[in-house]
Amino acid sequence: SQKIEQNSEALNIQEGKTATLTCNYTNYSPAYLQWYRQDPGRGPVFLLLIRENEKEKRKERLKVTFDTTLKQSLFHITASQPADSATYLCALQYSSASKIIFGSGTRLSIRP
Amino acid sequence: DTAVSQTPKYLVTQMGNDKSIKCEQNLGHDTMYWYKQDSKKFLKIMFSYNNKELIINETVPNRFSPKSPDKAHLNLHINSLELGDSAVYFCASSGRANEQYFGPGTRLTVT
Repeated sequence: SQKIEQNSEALNIQEGKTATLTCNYTNYSPAYLQWYRQDPGRGPVFLLLIRENEKEKRKERLKVTFDTTLKQSLFHITASQPADSATYLCALQYSSASKIIFGSGTRLSIRP
Repeated sequence: DTAVSQTPKYLVTQMGNDKSIKCEQNLGHDTMYWYKQDSKKFLKIMFSYNNKELIINETVPNRFSPKSPDKAHLNLHINSLELGDSAVYFCASSGRANEQYFGPGTRLTVT
């Protein structure tokens, strides 16, 4: 069965640096890969979606890459701020009609 | 102007009881979902409804029964609650690219 692994359970970095989170999957590549942010006690919030035929997507300080050869997506936050501290979830979907499968998340802490 | 709302936010109940969680979305989406997030933070889909019809039903015990009276509402009824049902339950709806819009969650504690 398909597995998603978000390699780091927790990541701690200095304010101003670029945070890079990793999402790896097994078996065949999904059609869509999504990233979400979840704050404690709240529901996940959608950030970015990237399709399998796209290599990179950007939104303000966020960048997502999708490498179907490595079976990996990277999520970058540039010029990180303490307010970026949260858990980030990756999710994949094999077709527009199939269910979305979530990873277990990486807890990111940005220290001032 | 809350997009996806669910009630109650907290639910504490005893084993064997029956409880319901309600969900409403005002985004005009056709598809709604129920997810369960356990203590290890794994978020797993339980059900999906498209325009009031069940389209995804993961291997969830029969004690869980979703009901969609119209496409803006998806309720979850749970019979004979067990300790293992304790979790946070999220309702969601999906946009054009299937991006999920989640509600604030209902923390269910079964004692």
